[in-house]
Amino acid sequence: DAGITQSPRYKITETGRQVTLMCHQTWSHSYMFWYRQDLGHGLRLIYYSAAADITDKGEVPDGYVVSRSKTENFPLTLESATRSQTSVYFCASSESSFSGSGPNEQFFGPGTRLTVL
Amino acid sequence: SQQGEEDPQALSIQEGENATMNCSYKTSINNLQWYRQNSGRGLVHLILIRSNEREKHSGRLRVTLDTSKKSSSLLITASRAADTASYFCATAQGVTSGSRLTFGEGTQLTVNP
Repeated sequence: DAGITQSPRYKITETGRQVTLMCHQTWSHSYMFWYRQDLGHGLRLIYYSAAADITDKGEVPDGYVVSRSKTENFPLTLESATRSQTSVYFCASSESSFSGSGPNEQFFGPGTRLTVL
Repeated sequence: SQQGEEDPQALSIQEGENATMNCSYKTSINNLQWYRQNSGRGLVHLILIRSNEREKHSGRLRVTLDTSKKSSSLLITASRAADTASYFCATAQGVTSGSRLTFGEGTQLTVNP
């Protein structure tokens, strides 16, 4: 199926464990993003990527690692999970836009609900 | 820091009524985008309005942008129960493709049948 998918959809883990959240898109969009959404709040950017092997920090990158070896995949790893990382994580992608016109619309995955005990 | 702030935080209306949500921001923007999020789902893009535009329409949606007041509004006309969702504005300060979007905390809209 075309689109953007995330796995797993739900994950429960314990403090200190490593967790990897997967994101896959079929559109060959250049840009991919990871956000977290805490209960009742908006989205905060964790990391983003402009292309394969190009990543950059967002607003809240501490405790997270990303990689992008292929255009279509953008995994997010929590190296040592903490309770404060309990959240819903959204992956998104967007196409490149014409210079000067700013970013295009973003397409979001369904989210991964992560609970850290 | 929060760039976009929606107002009101929650809005409850009857089916058929119009719903208006507002977004204010602090620094100059290149474009502003509105998204909808149904409960337990990802965000869905609704409309993008550029800084040199004042109004855009899409179906029952009307978005206005007033750069002098640093504010935008989203109007949903003839609302339906299916419009019940959270609505977020997102601002883009940069001019490049990779410019970040900064999301507000959203307006929770409830449309009662």
